[in-house]
Amino acid sequence: AQTVTQSQPEMSVQEAETVTLSCTYDTSESDYYLFWYKQPPSRQMILVIRQEAYKQQNATENRFSVNFQKAAKSFSLKISDSQLGDAAMYFCAYRGRSSNYKLTFGKGTLLTVNP
Amino acid sequence: DAGVTQSPTHLIKTRGQHVTLRCSPISGHKSVSWYQQVLGQGPQFIFQYYEKEERGRGNFPDRFSARQFPNYSSELNVNALLLGDSALYLCASSFGSDTGELFFGEGSRLTVL
Repeated sequence: AQTVTQSQPEMSVQEAETVTLSCTYDTSESDYYLFWYKQPPSRQMILVIRQEAYKQQNATENRFSVNFQKAAKSFSLKISDSQLGDAAMYFCAYRGRSSNYKLTFGKGTLLTVNP
Repeated sequence: DAGVTQSPTHLIKTRGQHVTLRCSPISGHKSVSWYQQVLGQGPQFIFQYYEKEERGRGNFPDRFSARQFPNYSSELNVNALLLGDSALYLCASSFGSDTGELFFGEGSRLTVL
């Protein structure tokens, strides 16, 4: 079974600074997708960024980028120029071809942005 | 366009009761998935339905059941509620059955006393 581990229960960053959230995963599959979701206090889970395992290039979405290390099974999220609205719970998630219908989530990292 | 809508947003039940949670997917989406999120944890997969058929089930007891209607809306039913069923229940929709991009609702917060 696939597992996703987020080793940082909480992180904090100063506004306008950069922060990196860590995620590791365990799988025997070669074809899979990785995701970072953001869950603000409103509870709605919002997709931040996705990465296809077969792509070597790291995904980027505006201020959000990932460092995907396939061999190390590591998938970290970097948030640049942090904004107060970035404060939320961040979840790393995995979806493999053999389990194409479900996401496996980590336990999450609570990000606080200090003004 | 309306996103994924869930009802009710909050509800309180007592042990042994039954609960029905409802979800309306984004227009055009044919797949609905249900996730349970216990406080302080990441969501756990419960069910996925596509074109009214169950496509997957997570490690949950038979007290949990679901169905999808012809208009692609869905219901999650939980019988014989236990205190441990207290959680946020998230519904997510997607266009296909195997796309990884899920769009989530705001969830139904269930408290079992």
